[in-house]
Amino acid sequence: EDQVTQSPEALRLQEGESSSLNCSYTVSGLRGLFWYRQDPGKGPEFLFTLYSAGEEKEKERLKATLTKKESFLHITAPKPEDSATYLCAVQANTGANSKLTFGKGITLSVRP
Amino acid sequence: EPEVTQTPSHQVTQMGQEVILRCVPISNHLYFYWYRQILGQKVEFLVSFYNNEISEKSEIFDDQFSVERPDGSNFTLKIRSTKLEDSAMYFCASSTGTVTFRREFFGPGTRLTVL
Repeated sequence: EDQVTQSPEALRLQEGESSSLNCSYTVSGLRGLFWYRQDPGKGPEFLFTLYSAGEEKEKERLKATLTKKESFLHITAPKPEDSATYLCAVQANTGANSKLTFGKGITLSVRP
Repeated sequence: EPEVTQTPSHQVTQMGQEVILRCVPISNHLYFYWYRQILGQKVEFLVSFYNNEISEKSEIFDDQFSVERPDGSNFTLKIRSTKLEDSAMYFCASSTGTVTFRREFFGPGTRLTVL
């Protein structure tokens, strides 16, 4: 069974204080690892897809990296508007559009 | 940017009643999904739908659940006889189905409360 574990559960940062969010996974052949942002009461919003170990993707203050066992979402000099829950999900290599398995998410709070 | 829309935003129902949750996926997308999120828990996959049939479903998606694409634009999730434990946020999602790049667009969700 595919599993995704995210840590820490919650993270409080001061504005400008860089940090990393961790996503550990086990999957029967990884097709893709996804990062989403979720604001309270809203649907997940796509951030990145990573497909192979060593791959990195960047968007503004966010950078996602991937190894064979985990992914990191690095947040550089965060701002209060980066406060949200960050979800990690994996897709197994069982089909081009097979289901996503999500972790519980990491709730990030950035204080001004 | 195109959006997935869902109606209603909040549905309150009595246990044992039938509910239909509605979604309008992005128009050129081919794959459609329903996920749910119980308060404080993970987003969980329910079902995927392609070419007018279910392509994958989870253990949660039992005989009480059904999906339909009645008119080429809407995508519905029906729960025949709701239970208290069905209370959750239900998200519809759609994707183009491109093999090399997958990106699911999620709707804003329908909050289902079963009393």
